[in-house]
Amino acid sequence: KAGVTQTPRYLIKTRGQQVTLSCSPISGHRSVSWYQQTPGQGLQFLFEYFSETQRNKGNFPGRFSGRQFSNSRSEMNVSTLELGDSALYLCASSSLKRTETQYFGPGTRLLVL
Amino acid sequence: AQSVTQPDIHITVSEGASLELRCNYSYGATPYLFWYVQSPGQGLQLLLKYFSGDTLVQGIKGFEAEFKRSQSSFNLRKPSVHWSDAAEYFCAVGLRDRDDKIIFGKGTRLHILP
Repeated sequence: KAGVTQTPRYLIKTRGQQVTLSCSPISGHRSVSWYQQTPGQGLQFLFEYFSETQRNKGNFPGRFSGRQFSNSRSEMNVSTLELGDSALYLCASSSLKRTETQYFGPGTRLLVL
Repeated sequence: AQSVTQPDIHITVSEGASLELRCNYSYGATPYLFWYVQSPGQGLQLLLKYFSGDTLVQGIKGFEAEFKRSQSSFNLRKPSVHWSDAAEYFCAVGLRDRDDKIIFGKGTRLHILP
């Protein structure tokens, strides 16, 4: 069974631009969660999607948004990028709930210049 | 407020030595408990998890962890480390009655001496 895939793996943007990251969960998994990982803040929960609906959201500004498609693939979008948005963005999938076992993708490394 | 504490930012052990990584949490109920490992530039891999039942949990790669309710701890152990165990280890708790919120600790970086 294929694991969680994330594209692109690396991305360089400039301040003010927007970016879209993609995540394909493990086949059959309906829950997709997004996390931001930085050296200073560690791993922080962004949001979770389940059956195309945002089920939970972390404490991030409205510039961070996401969506999930009917095939469970998910995208997250960050508008008006700031330097502080430079991070590793991790996607995780689970069958039903975040508190079940989550399987993480390799992440997308975003650098904002 | 709920929190997860991994008190050791870095730990260095010799190859073949035993290992214990500490994790303490603050939460009013029994949470779900996880340990993940992250190799450089990679995502997180689940080592083991505790949901209920036996408080000594066996995981992959020879790791085990013990849930101690009285100490609000979930320490990770391995009897003999290998050079390939060098990585960052994250403890996480899932809050059963907080809308499935998951909180991660800041991580412990494990260094292995040859």
